[in-house]
Amino acid sequence: NAGVTQTPKFRILKIGQSMTLQCAQDMNHNYMYWYRQDPGMGLKLIYYSVGAGITDKGEVPNGYNVSRSTTEDFPLRLELAAPSQTSVYFCASSTTSRGTVNSNQPQHFGDGTRLSIL
Amino acid sequence: GENVEQHPSTLSVQEGDSAVIKCTYSDSASNYFPWYKQELGKGPQLIIDIRSNVGEKKDQRIAVTLNKTAKHFSLHITETQPEDSAVYFCAAKLSFQKLVFGTGTRLLVSP
Repeated sequence: NAGVTQTPKFRILKIGQSMTLQCAQDMNHNYMYWYRQDPGMGLKLIYYSVGAGITDKGEVPNGYNVSRSTTEDFPLRLELAAPSQTSVYFCASSTTSRGTVNSNQPQHFGDGTRLSIL
Repeated sequence: GENVEQHPSTLSVQEGDSAVIKCTYSDSASNYFPWYKQELGKGPQLIIDIRSNVGEKKDQRIAVTLNKTAKHFSLHITETQPEDSAVYFCAAKLSFQKLVFGTGTRLLVSP
């Protein structure tokens, strides 16, 4: 299994441009997440999804949009890129224990997309 | 909301020494505490986790302890090796699968 795959690995955008960061997982996980990581900081949750067709805001959602049309894919959209969105973006996925809604299952991360906005 | 503080921000040890990284959390309802290792250019990888019904967990050279009363948990690495050099993150789960991360500890193990 490939696990969580993120594309592209690197990207430079101009202010005002838009782009979509791709994330795919092959573990049949129902939960997926998008985080950003700024230098010297921990990961901040942008958006998450508990299943196809269901998404919700995390801690820092402004300037981003997501969709979840399939279990496998969870793309992150930047509509009007701003310098403050320069960061490393990580996608993650997790599952739940059978019969348990709020279970504690580890999140599996991709290797990130490094985005610079100039 | 939940807040997780992590110390130290950098830690240098000699190969073979032990390393300890400490985290505190603010929300007593948090019940899951994973630790992640992040190598340069890679995503975080889970190395160990602990649930609130357990006080200590070990996996070979790695152990985690949890003090629910004081709301802090620690990562212990014994017999450190150069390949342990990385950034380590603690996290706490506040509610339905939402992890809150600490700011990370850069561990350097010198041969």
